[in-house]
Amino acid sequence: GDSVTQMEGPVTLSEEAFLTINCTYTATGYPSLFWYVQYPGEGLQLLLKATKADDKGSNKGFEATYRKETTSFHLEKGSVQVSDSAVYFCAANAGGTSYGKLTFGQGTILTVHP
Amino acid sequence: DTAVSQTPKYLVTQMGNDKSIKCEQNLGHDTMYWYKQDSKKFLKIMFSYNNKELIINETVPNRFSPKSPDKAHLNLHINSLELGDSAVYFCASSQGSRGHSPLHFGNGTRLTVT
Repeated sequence: GDSVTQMEGPVTLSEEAFLTINCTYTATGYPSLFWYVQYPGEGLQLLLKATKADDKGSNKGFEATYRKETTSFHLEKGSVQVSDSAVYFCAANAGGTSYGKLTFGQGTILTVHP
Repeated sequence: DTAVSQTPKYLVTQMGNDKSIKCEQNLGHDTMYWYKQDSKKFLKIMFSYNNKELIINETVPNRFSPKSPDKAHLNLHINSLELGDSAVYFCASSQGSRGHSPLHFGNGTRLTVT
């Protein structure tokens, strides 16, 4: 079945540091890929997405590029802020007959210190 | 305006009881979901409805019964609650059921079974 593997956390960074959270997937066909963010006490919010190979999703300074050859969708941000502290989830959806059945990675807790 | 709203936010109950969680979305979406998040933040889909019709039913104990009276509402009823049911339950919605549209999540219901 489909699976998504994320870099294990937690990740602790100082403000303005560079962030990378690795994500790889296995899926039949060509999935759509997503990054969601969960702030404390809240539900998940879509951060960015990409629906085909070589697409780059970007939002709020975060970026991720759909790499079909390496089946990866790594999340990056050049300069993190304290307000970026949250849990980040990579997700894949194979579409087709999979409907909206998102497969999530295990989540990566990010803490940014001033 | 809250897009996906769940009630209650917290639910504390004893083993063996029956409880319900309600979800409503005002986004005009045609597909709704229930996800379960365990204590390690892992998210797993439980059910999905498209236009009131059940389209995803993962391996969930039959003590869990979803009900969708219309496409804006999806409720979850749980019978004979067990300790292992303690988790955060998230409702979500999307437009279309083929997986390319992002999910919009509610803020979750934290269920504690004692």
